[in-house]
Amino acid sequence: QSALTQPASVSGSPGQSITISCTGTSSDVGSYNLVSWYQQHPGKAPKLVIYEVSKRPSGVSNRFSGSKSGNTASLTMSGLQAEDEADYYCSSYAGSRNLVFGRGTKLTVL
Amino acid sequence: EVQLVESGGGLVQPGGSLRLSCAASEFTFSSYWMHWVRQAPGEGLVWVSRINSDATSISYADSVKGRFTISRDNAKNTLYLQMNSLRAEDTAVYYCARDLGRGSSWYDAFDIWGQGTMVTVSS
Repeated sequence: QSALTQPASVSGSPGQSITISCTGTSSDVGSYNLVSWYQQHPGKAPKLVIYEVSKRPSGVSNRFSGSKSGNTASLTMSGLQAEDEADYYCSSYAGSRNLVFGRGTKLTVL
Repeated sequence: EVQLVESGGGLVQPGGSLRLSCAASEFTFSSYWMHWVRQAPGEGLVWVSRINSDATSISYADSVKGRFTISRDNAKNTLYLQMNSLRAEDTAVYYCARDLGRGSSWYDAFDIWGQGTMVTVSS
């Protein structure tokens, strides 16, 4: 299974909105709604921010939202804050009991 | 506090073996699907393996199939990863993670992660 495609980096200013894309294929993102997003600060374990494409776990800010169209999932963050600066990873069930992650996107808050 | 704590990492020579453990606390470990995920230095996350609550459903990434074995001891609230025939490319921080799913369904979404344990394969 090939990794999902994410932009290497995105940036935005405080208060702005940004969107991170996650492109897969018809065998993973396009076929299943088991898409998740994780936030990872340096030296820390990842934190789940979105699951099943658009659901937020309890305690996650409503500034995080997820969506999917075809083979591409997206994570949108509104009202950017300095503490949002981190690496973000998407993942998708890929059939045949496989799970694939994206290569990660580094978010810089300017 | 709901928690996962990994142990067992270290330096091992190519071809060697290592057994990782992940101790769970403050939740009903026996109800949840569990996973191992790894992250090579400076690289992204890679899924390694999945096991259901009673160990009757187990899956592996192709890169570790035949070399790694996931297991669990629900009486001890502990998840394991036996790693054999280790290669340099297995060098990574290994995380155990709890799936949102319980019973017969999994979400492949991980709401609780351990702090990770480093495995270095080098001569």
